[in-house]
Amino acid sequence: DGGITQSPKYLFRKEGQNVTLSCEQNLNHDAMYWYRQDPGQGLRLIYYSQIVNDFQKGDIAEGYSVSREKKESFPLTVTSAQKNPTAFYLCASSIDLRGTGKTGQEKLFFGSGTQLSVL
Amino acid sequence: AQSVTQLGSHVSVSEGALVLLRCNYSSSVPPYLFWYVQYPNQGLQLLLKYTTGATLVKGINGFEAEFKKSETSFHLTKPSAHMSDAAEYFCAVSHSGGYQKVTFGTGTKLQVIP
Repeated sequence: DGGITQSPKYLFRKEGQNVTLSCEQNLNHDAMYWYRQDPGQGLRLIYYSQIVNDFQKGDIAEGYSVSREKKESFPLTVTSAQKNPTAFYLCASSIDLRGTGKTGQEKLFFGSGTQLSVL
Repeated sequence: AQSVTQLGSHVSVSEGALVLLRCNYSSSVPPYLFWYVQYPNQGLQLLLKYTTGATLVKGINGFEAEFKKSETSFHLTKPSAHMSDAAEYFCAVSHSGGYQKVTFGTGTKLQVIP
């Protein structure tokens, strides 16, 4: 079955430590995204990537980094600079509708999320 | 600029009763509107979306929503609640050319009482 796999499901970070969240998709989607979800705040965009080796900052990129070396993979690193990392992190993907006149209509496909907590 | 307001962070209904989840949006251009559902400890799944055309949109699991431009609303309804509908529901807004400009609401948790 096609889908998005996030791992691990739960992750704990120690003070000053960088941690990496994995996101893999087999939907053959060009676009991939990382969202942060905090209770009562909805979803906020951290980073997105439209194509391999290219990515853009979202609304809350500070303290995070990403890479996109393969179409299928979009790992997120939460660095020690992120002072409040406790949240539920969601990876998503979509087809690229640029050039179709339908940008903005993308259906987002989400993974099951990673809960990150601070020790 | 665009924004979404979901009225009521928690809504409780009895099994078999009408489900009504409210969403109002603000957008300076014609909006695209979405409802996503999130079951506990899972990602979001698209229920339905409005882009253009018919203002009453039908989605999965018996849900539907009506785009009302005059009221800037996109409320989600289901005639008869089922226990399996218990989840968190997110309204979202985007617009033409708004690649990666989806704005999500803060969510409404639906509780279904037997």
